[in-house]
Amino acid sequence: RKEVEQDPGPFNVPEGATVAFNCTYSNSASQSFFWYRQDCRKEPKLLMSVYSSGNEDGRFTAQLNRASQYISLLIRDSKLSDSATYLCVVNRGSGNTPLVFGKGTRLSVIA
Amino acid sequence: DAGVTQSPTHLIKTRGQHVTLRCSPISGHKSVSWYQQVLGQGPQFIFQYYEKEERGRGNFPDRFSARQFPNYSSELNVNALLLGDSALYLCASSLEIFNEQFFGPGTRLTVL
Repeated sequence: RKEVEQDPGPFNVPEGATVAFNCTYSNSASQSFFWYRQDCRKEPKLLMSVYSSGNEDGRFTAQLNRASQYISLLIRDSKLSDSATYLCVVNRGSGNTPLVFGKGTRLSVIA
Repeated sequence: DAGVTQSPTHLIKTRGQHVTLRCSPISGHKSVSWYQQVLGQGPQFIFQYYEKEERGRGNFPDRFSARQFPNYSSELNVNALLLGDSALYLCASSLEIFNEQFFGPGTRLTVL
């Protein structure tokens, strides 16, 4: 089992739709959590950090459930410009490999 | 403010050669990490440096090495290149070890 697993995708949704991505992690000692966005052939860009209390940034909402070791990202009112790969990232906080990335979930928003 | 910069942007090498990739972190950031990303996969952690010391090493062979300089810039060296080393090599910087990481544009390495 991979340490960070994401929905395989791809997700093809119409403009204006609401889409949710899920991510599970296996290391219960993980310290911090992030969602990154990566456009084709570009570097990952930090979308948002994920806090236990949940956090929202405009159309984006992230949730963390430590008991279930589960992270989610909700995108409301999808825009064409939201088309990208979304990477779930877990920071173990210790050990040889501190930051572990999921494989990513590809989103295509269609007009 | 300048973001993370990497050089070169593209590189073509042949098997057996060595390569040096360079990274300059965001001003004030003390930690630099290196990642390898092959097509269709998420970035794989190679090294993390903080205050010029190695603080983490991923599951990569000894052909991969890195260092961080007093100005916090960093180099990644890969010796005896293999075809499988072809990938996008990403550098990321963070203020401290456990903060959010910000990525540079990457170096795309092709090994022929």
